[in-house]
Amino acid sequence: RKEVEQDPGPFNVPEGATVAFNCTYSNSASQSFFWYRQDCRKEPKLLMSVYSSGNEDGRFTAQLNRASQYISLLIRDSKLSDSATYLCVVYGGGFNKFYFGSGTKLNVKP
Amino acid sequence: NAGVTQTPKFQVLKTGQSMTLQCAQDMNHNSMYWYRQDPGMGLRLIYYSASEGTTDKGEVPNGYNVSRLNKREFSLRLESAAPSQTSVYFCASSEAMSSYNEQFFGPGTRLTVL
Repeated sequence: RKEVEQDPGPFNVPEGATVAFNCTYSNSASQSFFWYRQDCRKEPKLLMSVYSSGNEDGRFTAQLNRASQYISLLIRDSKLSDSATYLCVVYGGGFNKFYFGSGTKLNVKP
Repeated sequence: NAGVTQTPKFQVLKTGQSMTLQCAQDMNHNSMYWYRQDPGMGLRLIYYSASEGTTDKGEVPNGYNVSRLNKREFSLRLESAAPSQTSVYFCASSEAMSSYNEQFFGPGTRLTVL
């Protein structure tokens, strides 16, 4: 079983839409959680960390549900520039390392 | 401040050839990592170096070796390339290997093994 699982998508949404991604992780001992963004043929870059209480950064909101072992990312008022692949990342798990999901692809259409 | 740099950007090898991927960071980070990214698999950790002078295996170390040359540089060597090693390789660094430190990635090396 993978440490981190994501719906690969793609999610095709119009500009201005609200879209949400979920990610599940297998190890209840995982310690910290992140969302990274990866543009086509580029390196991943940190979008936001996910805190226990949930956190918001502009149009982006991240939530953590430890009981159900999932993390969510909500994007409001989608922009064309939000088109990318979003990687869920979990630290801890079996060997106290970073584990990456395979990513969820988002296409925002005009 | 270049961040994390990798060379080469692209490489084509024949089965059995060897090569070294170079990585350097100028952020004075202690920890460095090598990942491979394959379609549908996400990034998988090959090797990491928690601090200068130490290296450890990640999830998929077979067929690879690493050298932490100094605090700035961390190289990945393929001794005898195989088609299964066709992938995109990313080097990353972080201030320390802890749960709260952001990882910064290099631009990647696209490797094809024929």
